Amino acid sequence: DAKTTQPNSMESNEEEPVHLPCNHSTISGTDYIHWYRQLPSQGPEYVIHGLTSNVNNRMASLAIAEDRKSSTLILHRATLRDAAVYYCILRDVDTGGFKTIFGAGTRLFVKA
Amino acid sequence: EAQVTQNPRYLITVTGKKLTVTCSQNMNHEYMSWYRQDPGLGLRQIYYSMNVEVTDKGDVPEGYKVSRKEKRNFPLILESPSPNQTSLYFCASSPEIAKNIQYFGAGTRLSVL
Repeated sequence: DAKTTQPNSMESNEEEPVHLPCNHSTISGTDYIHWYRQLPSQGPEYVIHGLTSNVNNRMASLAIAEDRKSSTLILHRATLRDAAVYYCILRDVDTGGFKTIFGAGTRLFVKA
Repeated sequence: EAQVTQNPRYLITVTGKKLTVTCSQNMNHEYMSWYRQDPGLGLRQIYYSMNVEVTDKGDVPEGYKVSRKEKRNFPLILESPSPNQTSLYFCASSPEIAKNIQYFGAGTRLSVL
C-alpha cells in the first residue's frame, strides 16, 4: 500500500485559511486521495476525496498536484471547531480499497 | 438517522476473559471494518469484511476474531484478551468500496487489566 507523509502539527488563527499538506510520492494511477478528520473524543469523519482534479465541497477544498505526488487540504476559514487531527490516506480502486492505512495525521491547532 | 453503533462504549475487563464488541450499521453498507487507535500509532486496521461471510485480515489481526453473518452486524471478538489489547476501537462501514467514504462509530475504549 502506498504511504502518505504529513506534518505532525500545524497552527492557524481563527477566520484564516489553512493549507494542510500531504506527500504521497508512491501513489499509483488508480489511488484515490482521501481526507478524514478526527475531532476530540470522536471517531474519524470523512472530509473530501479526489483522484486527479481539484475538488470542492461544503467542508473544504482538495488541491492535487499535477504529478499527484502531493495534495493539499484547504480549509477556507478556520474555526475553533476545525481543531482536529487530519488524516490523508490513499485508496486503490483496482483492489477495491479493502485495506486502509492511516498515518499519524496532522494535529491542527486553531487560535482565537 | 444513518449511523454506525458500537457497544459498549467503555469496557474494563481482566486478562483471559472472552469479550465481544458489537458493531451495527443501518445504511445497508457492504463493507465494514475494525480499527484500533493507540497514542502515536494512529489508526490501524484489524479486520475488514467485503460482504456477508467474507472477511479478511488487516494489518494487526493477531488476537482478534470477527464474523459477518448478517450485513448490518460485524462483531469484534477477543477470545483471550491481554493488556496489550488495551486501546480505543472504531468500527466503520462504507457504501462503495472503491470510493471508500467510510462512516465511523463513536468508539469503544477497552482496558484489559
